Amino acid sequence: NAGVTQTPKFRVLKTGQSMTLLCAQDMNHEYMYWYRQDPGMGLRLIHYSVGEGTTAKGEVPDGYNVSRLKKQNFLLGLESAAPSQTSVYFCASRTPYIFYEQYFGPGTRLTVT
Amino acid sequence: KQEVTQIPAALSVPEGENLVLNCSFTDSAIYNLQWFRQDPGKGLTSLLLIQSSQREQTSGRLNASLDKSSGRSTLYIAASQPGDSATYLCASYGGSQGNLIFGKGTKLSVKP
Repeated sequence: NAGVTQTPKFRVLKTGQSMTLLCAQDMNHEYMYWYRQDPGMGLRLIHYSVGEGTTAKGEVPDGYNVSRLKKQNFLLGLESAAPSQTSVYFCASRTPYIFYEQYFGPGTRLTVT
Repeated sequence: KQEVTQIPAALSVPEGENLVLNCSFTDSAIYNLQWFRQDPGKGLTSLLLIQSSQREQTSGRLNASLDKSSGRSTLYIAASQPGDSATYLCASYGGSQGNLIFGKGTKLSVKP
């Protein structure tokens, strides 16, 4: 099993450009999450989804949009990238049973110049 | 709101030493607590998951304990090796969103 995969692994954007980060999981998980990791800030939740066709805002949603058209995919979009969005982005998934662990992707390192 | 704290932020030990990493949380009504390892520039590797009904979990040289009443978890690493050098993160579920709330991590350096 591939688990949770993320595309791309690295990306450099200029301010104002747009891009989409793709997260895919093959574990048939209902819940999916997007986090960002910044030095000194730890990991923070951007958006999440509790099932196909549903999305909700997390702690730091501004400047991002998400979509969950298929159960296995969770897309994170940046419509107009800003230097403050330079970060490492992690996707995660889990079953609805909160006693079980959350599985993480390898991350996408994004730099906005 | 759940808050997770890890102290110290950095730790340096000689090879072979047994060590303990600390994690504290504010909401004792946790469902589980997960420990991760992160190597520089890499993703998160899940080490151990302790469910709320459990007191500890073991994997090889790693042992994680959970004390909900005191709001603390510890990760014990036996006979440390240079390959154990990494940042260790603990995380607990918080709030109604079902996401993990992370500590900021302890950066461990094991000197040969």
